[in-house]
Amino acid sequence: NAGVTQTPKFQVLKTGQSMTLQCAQDMNHEYMSWYRQDPGMGLRLIHYSVGAGITDQGEVPNGYNVSRSTTEDFPLRLLSAAPSQTSVYFCASSYLGQGVQPQHFGDGTRLSIL
Amino acid sequence: DQQVKQNSPSLSVQEGRISILNCDYTNSMFDYFLWYKKYPAEGPTFLISISSIKDKNEDGRFTVFLNKSAKHLSLHIVPSQPGDSAVYFCAASETSGTYKYIFGTGTRLKVLA
Repeated sequence: NAGVTQTPKFQVLKTGQSMTLQCAQDMNHEYMSWYRQDPGMGLRLIHYSVGAGITDQGEVPNGYNVSRSTTEDFPLRLLSAAPSQTSVYFCASSYLGQGVQPQHFGDGTRLSIL
Repeated sequence: DQQVKQNSPSLSVQEGRISILNCDYTNSMFDYFLWYKKYPAEGPTFLISISSIKDKNEDGRFTVFLNKSAKHLSLHIVPSQPGDSAVYFCAASETSGTYKYIFGTGTRLKVLA
């Protein structure tokens, strides 16, 4: 029962490098999202998706791209890494529908940009 | 513009006593509110939720209260246990079709044995 799996757990990049953070869920959830957690800032929504082929921007989308080609996978791409993108990144998923749909989170990817 | 605010970055409580964590919001369109708990090096886990049609929801030692007129919610933990020591996030969403969850900045709870 894997839930939400994020890889890698840790990564160090140089400014200007590109990278893809992987996220996979095995719960057949329609909704998937990416957050970044920074000290004093809480969890801020980067991008989200309500199904395969559908993505939308969150609060802090600049510098990040996403795609959703399957229900299971929702990769986050950093096109040209900047030190301001040093953060802990969390992927989450949930069902869609009426009422509260709590999100299930992965354990995070800690990313450092030098 | 922080739509969901947790003004207390940290809170210390004696074991067995009540812990009260507070959360304020500004968007009157929010209609679902959730609390998550986060341990170090782990992702947040869902704790309890409440919809805007209620003013209280209880689950074991955890109770969430919602005051819509004040745009304020609180999480009560009674009795507090050392294993409750974690960072607690409140989150809010509006179900008008955006499916966005907006999180607060978190409160670090330390329960002292």
